[in-house]
Amino acid sequence: DQQVKQNSPSLSVQEGRISILNCDYTNSMFDYFLWYKKYPAEGPTFLISISSIKDKNEDGRFTVFLNKSAKHLSLHIVPSQPGDSAVYFCAADDTSGTYKYIFGTGTRLKVLA
Amino acid sequence: GAGVSQSPSNKVTEKGKDVELRCDPISGHTALYWYRQSLGQGLEFLIYFQGNSAPDKSGLPSDRFSAERTGGSVSTLTIQRTQQEDSAVYLCASSWGLNNEQFFGPGTRLTVL
Repeated sequence: DQQVKQNSPSLSVQEGRISILNCDYTNSMFDYFLWYKKYPAEGPTFLISISSIKDKNEDGRFTVFLNKSAKHLSLHIVPSQPGDSAVYFCAADDTSGTYKYIFGTGTRLKVLA
Repeated sequence: GAGVSQSPSNKVTEKGKDVELRCDPISGHTALYWYRQSLGQGLEFLIYFQGNSAPDKSGLPSDRFSAERTGGSVSTLTIQRTQQEDSAVYLCASSWGLNNEQFFGPGTRLTVL
């Protein structure tokens, strides 16, 4: 039972254009969401997060949008750069009090030069 | 400063053998997490340690899996009588405390033949 879903396994975008990565979740109790980026042979690195009290959080070229009613969040990267090519994981904070993250299966982004 | 390190980076073992995976968290981080990523799956939470509290073992898939954290620092994940379905990348993460960004190590790729 996948509580955090990333339905697009891969995405290709032209350099300079916008990349939009999507994530859906099923547990309405989730209250904190994160995006991690992962390069091959490296561990995931934190990118951006959002609390459920917000609907948008922006950090440079990266913006995360949260739609609580739809249980959907998205990561926008604009403009996309070749160095953004990586696997992006969406994660939600399990609110059981143990702060373990529940991750999606990831979306592989390829930014074409 | 140094990030989270894990060893070995790759481990190939025969079915039925025991394996030990090591994680060195960032110095001073009180929380330590183990995840695994099987092929085509998201990162799956296994276990976490916070300070001197009893670990949360709720994610361990079977009693063949165990972990310990000595002196509040280094952690070892042990898998006994390995099975082919244990093949995955095992990732360790640490954080300053609960509800803080988790920093990941590069992972150990375990292959059970």
